[in-house]
Amino acid sequence: DAKTTQPPSMDCAEGRAANLPCNHSTISGNEYVYWYRQIHSQGPQYIIHGLKNNETNEMASLIITEDRKSSTLILPHATLRDTAVYYCIVRVRDTGNQFYFGTGTSLTVIP
Amino acid sequence: EAQVTQNPRYLITVTGKKLTVTCSQNMNHEYMSWYRQDPGLGLRQIYYSMNVEVTDKGDVPEGYKVSRKEKRNFPLILESPSPNQTSLYFCASSLWGRAGELFFGEGSRLTVL
Repeated sequence: DAKTTQPPSMDCAEGRAANLPCNHSTISGNEYVYWYRQIHSQGPQYIIHGLKNNETNEMASLIITEDRKSSTLILPHATLRDTAVYYCIVRVRDTGNQFYFGTGTSLTVIP
Repeated sequence: EAQVTQNPRYLITVTGKKLTVTCSQNMNHEYMSWYRQDPGLGLRQIYYSMNVEVTDKGDVPEGYKVSRKEKRNFPLILESPSPNQTSLYFCASSLWGRAGELFFGEGSRLTVL
């Protein structure tokens, strides 16, 4: 699975959009981009995933560049409860093999 | 309610005393996995299982054993715990074919003295 690069930390004002970047320049054609978050020491929570089209669900939007070498997770109206560590993961969807989380981006939403 | 249940949630033990952390899921998931989380190192995979009787090593399997005799259960066994296994442990599961959409348990904080 391709490796990802994320900034270690970011701040965002409450009510504003939080845009979390992820670089995955070695991504291959059958690899999906997944995003998870972990609030404090709770179990990580799945947010969203995509292959090449932009995706949106009730939690967030995922924007993947045309060359698929980077993506952005967007939390449209960040709240204090969105303060968490966000993980970007690239992997083949249907294989049950290893799943690398890395160290993620620590997002702090500021009142 | 769909969930992954881990027990115990907290445990303090001593070096060499065998222990088992249980993991059970009620979603009929084929895929299950164990992770440990340590400060500055993120989440690291210990073992995973793609179905009953099928297990494989992750990144940090040394000192751990697992078994998958039933679909719903995936216990993590520490035969002879050592202080470097003090960590926060997470179990996760997912449907086969949707292996990236993991459901995580609440975690088990283990301290080995």
